Amino acid sequence: ELKVEQNPLFLSMQEGKNYTIYCNYSTTSDRLYWYRQDPGKSLESLFVLLSNGAVKQEGRLMASLDTKARLSTLHITAAVHDLSATYFCAVDMDSGAGSYQLTFGKGTKLSVIP
Amino acid sequence: NAGVTQTPKFRVLKTGQSMTLLCAQDMNHEYMYWYRQDPGMGLRLIHYSVGEGTTAKGEVPDGYNVSRLKKQNFLLGLESAAPSQTSVYFCASSYSIRFYNQPQHFGDGTRLSIL
Repeated sequence: ELKVEQNPLFLSMQEGKNYTIYCNYSTTSDRLYWYRQDPGKSLESLFVLLSNGAVKQEGRLMASLDTKARLSTLHITAAVHDLSATYFCAVDMDSGAGSYQLTFGKGTKLSVIP
Repeated sequence: NAGVTQTPKFRVLKTGQSMTLLCAQDMNHEYMYWYRQDPGMGLRLIHYSVGEGTTAKGEVPDGYNVSRLKKQNFLLGLESAAPSQTSVYFCASSYSIRFYNQPQHFGDGTRLSIL
């Protein structure tokens, strides 16, 4: 059974500071996805990471994947209030049955304070 | 382009009642999914479908049934609602496994309360 663990689960940051969210998973996979969810809203795709060493950046967010360590990171640079949201990582279970199933972490609730 | 549309957005049921949640997508996606989101639990997969006429169980399928009679629609049914099924339900869709470089697209969710 694939387990996906995020930490921290809650993060309060000051504007302008840097921080990293970690996503560990328990079995081999080379497909990892990051999503953002605003309160009461749907999930918005941020990044798709498909190979070892993959790095993607969008604005103040940068995501990376280390498949050997079974670890992905989401780095926040110079945080601003608009980044306040819950961030989820999700890993493809790769069941081998031709399906495409995601197992989600519990999410990291990020609050950026002035 | 509407994307993934869920109906209804809110619903309150009494224990033992039944209901059907509807999900429709207009992106010609092969795969569709139903998740539930509970506080502190992330999203958990209930059922999914890899094509019209096919469905499969996810992580938490008990108490739910699904049908995919048309490619664009995926229905989630609760036969006899229980308070433990109070949750926010999300539908998602995606291209097939050959296009795993594309993310799953989510609807806005259905907030369901069982009294």
